[in-house]
Amino acid sequence: EVQLVESGGGLVQPGGSPRLSCAASAFTFSSYAMSWVRQAPGKGLEWVSIISDSGGNTYYADSVKGRFTISRDNSKNTLYLQMNSLRAEDTAIYYCAKTIFGVASDAFDIWGQGTMVTVSS
Amino acid sequence: QSALTQPASVSGSPGQSITISCTGTSTDVGGHNYVFWYQQPPGKAPKLVIYEVSNRPSGVSNRFSGSKSGNTASLTISGLQAEDEADYYCSSYTSSSTYVFGSGTKVSVL
Repeated sequence: EVQLVESGGGLVQPGGSPRLSCAASAFTFSSYAMSWVRQAPGKGLEWVSIISDSGGNTYYADSVKGRFTISRDNSKNTLYLQMNSLRAEDTAIYYCAKTIFGVASDAFDIWGQGTMVTVSS
Repeated sequence: QSALTQPASVSGSPGQSITISCTGTSTDVGGHNYVFWYQQPPGKAPKLVIYEVSNRPSGVSNRFSGSKSGNTASLTISGLQAEDEADYYCSSYTSSSTYVFGSGTKVSVL
């Protein structure tokens, strides 16, 4: 079964720098662009970032540009999100998601269960 | 990038059809066919129900259909069932190589 499992969330102090991971299984990870999407408590979905299949191209939402870095290790079938200079408004469930056909413009057909990041002192 | 505009809530009786609208601009919804719809039941991860304006992924009921006219996309759920109660989000790829989501619509089955 195709699966994505996020980890690395928790309680973080303002200004902190956690790294989220997303372990992929049962598909050819290196052939698909991958993305992060977040959802603040009681709010809607917000796209965060996407990385191409090779890792050579990355794009970010304006709200995280310059603070977050998306990366991947295709040898480990793992996607990452390095989060720096965290603010209270970054508090959210962070989902990783797989693109349906591999290109960094198409829909997200598989989602993880999400990992909660809470930014608070 | 501003969120796409969706109605906050839509409701219908079992068996009826409902339509959710999603309005963007020429730089997102109106600019290409990369428009998607997701269903999110309470406390669960989103699930893709429509991709590229009107295509259904394998396993999604044919009661779900999508369309687009100009800068507005629409999701229609026909033969409404209790299991369709969820939040629905539209999304679009943009001319800036980013994505934008809609504000979300809560669907209630009366």
